[in-house]
Amino acid sequence: DAMVIQNPRYQVTQFGKPVTLSCSQTLNHNVMYWYQQKSSQAPKLLFHYYDKDFNNEADTPDNFQSRRPNTSFCFLDIRSPGLGDAAMYLCATSRDPGGGIFYEQYFGPGTRLTVT
Amino acid sequence: AQSVTQLGSHVSVSEGALVLLRCNYSSSVPPYLFWYVQYPNQGLQLLLKYTSAATLVKGINGFEAEFKKSETSFHLTKPSAHMSDAAEYFCAVSDEYGNKLVFGAGTILRVKS
Repeated sequence: DAMVIQNPRYQVTQFGKPVTLSCSQTLNHNVMYWYQQKSSQAPKLLFHYYDKDFNNEADTPDNFQSRRPNTSFCFLDIRSPGLGDAAMYLCATSRDPGGGIFYEQYFGPGTRLTVT
Repeated sequence: AQSVTQLGSHVSVSEGALVLLRCNYSSSVPPYLFWYVQYPNQGLQLLLKYTSAATLVKGINGFEAEFKKSETSFHLTKPSAHMSDAAEYFCAVSDEYGNKLVFGAGTILRVKS
């Protein structure tokens, strides 16, 4: 089945130690998104890629970076994780929006990040 | 800018009873509206979507929602709750470009036997 895959599902890192979260998709969608969802809160968009074009949300901290080496993969890098970065990180994909046709976002299962 | 308000962070119903989860939106452009469900430690699954076609939208698992422009509402309903419906539900709004979802705070649905 076509799907959005996130690895690992659970990640523990130390305060200040860089960590990378991975997302891959078999849907061949050209848009990929990263959301942060803190405990008991709504998901919040961090950034998205439209093909190779990176779009950062204005309030996303500089500590968060992303890479998309090809259509299928997208990575979230947290350069110096703080305790406040502990959250569920959700990856989503969609087909090219706009042009009068709307395509919904498909979400992966998420990676739960713990910072010790 | 778009925003979503979900009334009631927790809703409890008995098995077999009507489920009603409330969502009001604010949007400066014709909105696209969504309901997602999230089970513990899992991602979000799309239940249904409104994209300016029919105002009554039917989704998966027996859920439906009605878009009411005059009330700026998009409430989610299900005639008869099942135990497996216990989860957290998020209402979301998107602009016409579809590249940014703004979520409500979520409603946790509890189903009592």
